[in-house]
Amino acid sequence: NAGVTQTPKFRILKIGQSMTLQCTQDMNHNYMYWYRQDPGMGLKLIYYSVGAGITDKGEVPNGYNVSRSTTEDFPLRLELAAPSQTSVYFCASTKDRGSNEKLFFGSGTQLSVL
Amino acid sequence: GESVGLHLPTLSVQEGDNSIINCAYSNSASDYFIWYKQESGKGPQFIIDIRSNMDKRQGQRVTVLLNKTVKHLSLQIAATQPGDSAVYFCAEIYTGGFKTIFGAGTRLFVKA
Repeated sequence: NAGVTQTPKFRILKIGQSMTLQCTQDMNHNYMYWYRQDPGMGLKLIYYSVGAGITDKGEVPNGYNVSRSTTEDFPLRLELAAPSQTSVYFCASTKDRGSNEKLFFGSGTQLSVL
Repeated sequence: GESVGLHLPTLSVQEGDNSIINCAYSNSASDYFIWYKQESGKGPQFIIDIRSNMDKRQGQRVTVLLNKTVKHLSLQIAATQPGDSAVYFCAEIYTGGFKTIFGAGTRLFVKA
């Protein structure tokens, strides 16, 4: 199994540009998450999904959008990139929530907005 | 707001020594705790977990201790190896609210 796959690994955007960060998992996990990690900081939850067709906001959703049309895919959309969105983005998935919520992470997308 | 924090942002240990990484949590309702390891350029990986009805859990070379009285979590790594060099995150989960909170992480350096 490939696990959680994220693309691209690196990207530089100009202010105001848009892009989609791709995330796919082949573990048939219902629950998927997008986190951002700023230097020296912990992971902040952007959006999450509990299943196909269902998404919800996390701690820091402003400036982002998501969709979940299939169980496997959970893309993250940046519409108008801002320097504050410079960060490393991680997609994660888990089979169970709550008492057995071990997250499987992708390798991350390093995004710079200049 | 509630947060999970770490006492030491960096830790340097000699190869072969034991490492102890500490974590404080603030939500007394958190009932599940996980340690993740993040190597350079990679996403975090699950190391070990512990539920609130336990105070100690052992894995291969790693032990997690939970002290609910003072809301403290620690990760002990025995006979630390160069491959243990990474950033370690603790995460607290309130299973009733499906909420995971990550700490800022501790960077572990292992000196040969």
